[in-house]
Amino acid sequence: EIVMTQSPATLSVSPGERATVSCRASQSISSKLAWYQQKPGQAPRLLIYGASTRATGIPARFSGSGSGTEFTLTISSLQSEDFAVYYCQQYNFWYTFGQGTKLESK
Amino acid sequence: QVQLVESGGGLVKPGGSLRLTCSASGFTFSDYYMTWIRQAPGKGLEWVSYISSSSHSIQYADSVKGRFTVSRDNARNSLSLQMDSLRAEDTAVYYCAKDGRYSSSYYDSWGQGTLVTVSS
Repeated sequence: EIVMTQSPATLSVSPGERATVSCRASQSISSKLAWYQQKPGQAPRLLIYGASTRATGIPARFSGSGSGTEFTLTISSLQSEDFAVYYCQQYNFWYTFGQGTKLESK
Repeated sequence: QVQLVESGGGLVKPGGSLRLTCSASGFTFSDYYMTWIRQAPGKGLEWVSYISSSSHSIQYADSVKGRFTVSRDNARNSLSLQMDSLRAEDTAVYYCAKDGRYSSSYYDSWGQGTLVTVSS
């Protein structure tokens, strides 16, 4: 099983600032990585697929980068609606998710 | 727009059975793989199963293999998950998700989820 490890577990950032979430795969997954956002009581929402392609309707302040085993989700200027939990997911070999990163307002 | 609506969740005793259904609309259901994903209370996401567009390819997580059965009815735009021999650790919100067109990959639309609680 490919293990996905996200860091940090919790990230405190002020609105308007930049947030960066990391995701590491236990073995190479090429660019087969997606990012999701989940707010309390809601289903996850796809943000990024193919490591760096924004899903339909996702604002340009969300960006993804990386390949192989190291990946990053960056939110360039945090809006109030961005405070949520973020998950990475690999789909190179079966399907596994990271444990989540909670992005909270500082 | 894409809409996925799960139903069938509830409280069931250990060893019992439950059947979840996902009704799809807003896209050509028969063209897409579909996937079930679950989330235990306060925990992360766990892939459960996928089924290909024609039902020819089906896979399960080891944690549910032999106990859960996924199926679909393309004429009715419906996806199902038959869950037997339920255990306490199956307690979770179960989401159906729209998957890829030619293979299982990432999930661009999710239902609102249905809660399954396994407890005596």
